[in-house]
Amino acid sequence: NAGVMQNPRHLVRRRGQEARLRCSPMKGHSHVYWYRQLPEEGLKFMVYLQKENIIDESGMPKERFSAEFPKEGPSILRIQQVVRGDSAAYFCASSSTGGGSGNTIYFGEGSWLTVV
Amino acid sequence: DQQVKQNSPSLSVQEGRISILNCDYTNSMFDYFLWYKKYPAEGPTFLISISSIKDKNEDGRFTVFLNKSAKHLSLHIVPSQPGDSAVYFCAAGNSGYALNFGKGTSLLVTP
Repeated sequence: NAGVMQNPRHLVRRRGQEARLRCSPMKGHSHVYWYRQLPEEGLKFMVYLQKENIIDESGMPKERFSAEFPKEGPSILRIQQVVRGDSAAYFCASSSTGGGSGNTIYFGEGSWLTVV
Repeated sequence: DQQVKQNSPSLSVQEGRISILNCDYTNSMFDYFLWYKKYPAEGPTFLISISSIKDKNEDGRFTVFLNKSAKHLSLHIVPSQPGDSAVYFCAAGNSGYALNFGKGTSLLVTP
C-alpha cells in the first residue's frame, strides 16, 4: 500500500496517560501535516513538518502536544497527560512539495483517540 | 479565525439532479483550492482542485468554479448519485503553508 499509513487506527487512553500516533507518508513524500477533527467540527490544522524540521506549528496547543518527523522512521504526534477534550480523530497527510500552489495533500485513514 | 467557510452544514439533493456546494474564503493570498470528500470513519480523499489562475476545472461529473473577486468557489456534481453522499470539505492554501479547511458540508443524495 503506497498511501499514507497511520497507526494505531483506534487508541483508548485513560486521563493522564500519553498517546502516540504514528504516520508514514506516501512514498516519495517529504512533507507531513497533522490535522485534528473534533466531534461535529471540521479539520483543524495542527502542525506541518519536513524531515527533521517543524515548518509551522501554529495550530498546535502550546502544552502537552508535540510532533516530530525524524530522518528515519514515521512522523509521531505525541500527546502527554491526555484529557477528555483530546478525544478526536487525528489525520495525517503528506505531499511531495510544500504548501499550496498546485500541491495536493493526501490523507491517511486517521487515528481515533478516545480518552476515558 | 476561520479563513475558509462553508456556510451550509448540510444539503439534500435528489438522485440525478445537480448538487452545488459552496465555499468562501477571506485570505486573498490563497492561490490553490481543493475539494475533499469524506466518508464516516475514513480519511478525506482528494476530489478536485483549481489554481487561482483559472476559473473552472472539470473532471467527469465534478466541476469546480472559482470567483476570485468574490473570494468564492463552488463544487458542482452532476448528475448526483447516492454514492456521492458524504461530507465535502473545501480547502485553500498558498505556497509554503499548510492547507486551511472549511467545516464541511454533509451531502445526502436521495434515490
